[in-house]
Amino acid sequence: DTAVSQTPKYLVTQMGNDKSIKCEQNLGHDTMYWYKQDSKKFLKIMFSYNNKELIINETVPNRFSPKSPDKAHLNLHINSLELGDSAVYFCASRHYLDRGGNSPLHFGNGTRLTVT
Amino acid sequence: TQLLEQSPQFLSIQEGENLTVYCNSSSVFSSLQWYRQEPGEGPVLLVTVVTGGEVKKLKRLTFQFGDARKDSSLHITAAQPGDTGLYLCAGKGSGGSNYKLTFGKGTLLTVNP
Repeated sequence: DTAVSQTPKYLVTQMGNDKSIKCEQNLGHDTMYWYKQDSKKFLKIMFSYNNKELIINETVPNRFSPKSPDKAHLNLHINSLELGDSAVYFCASRHYLDRGGNSPLHFGNGTRLTVT
Repeated sequence: TQLLEQSPQFLSIQEGENLTVYCNSSSVFSSLQWYRQEPGEGPVLLVTVVTGGEVKKLKRLTFQFGDARKDSSLHITAAQPGDTGLYLCAGKGSGGSNYKLTFGKGTLLTVNP
């Protein structure tokens, strides 16, 4: 029944490693997002895909690479992890054209990444 | 870059008190949303306001969009412990990418029994 699901929920890894976070939504939405929430709870957009096409790519190090194999999935791969990458990463989705473009974001429950 | 400033950043009150949270910007937004986030979970939408001056009520919560669509407020009447959480405002710009929602830094509300 989970609408937007992320795995894993917790990820602890060492500096320099490469890791991936997976996201799946079963809402039939056409647009998916990755947000990063730092220790001060600031939620900052990283990427967005609409129908598998990258439409938003904020100022994010190129160590971060999103991949959308289909409309229901958006994964995030991170190379050469750094201490500053520690944060909670949220996946979200929405159907862009619903409600005149004001449709709500549906968030997953986040992946807490800790880099040691 | 469109920025949203939320105030206060932290708010701790007793059950039964009233409170107001503010979301301000120097930019015009075509719409604004309020979300609540509880620990260990993602944000959940409370309301969307679209028209300048619009007021929406959700039980004890009252949301207002400024006339110029640059600011919004959330007023909670007779707060309860269940209202505890992080309140986030998010704006959709009137120009540029319509896909992008910009979030404020949030107000962390604690309602003590």
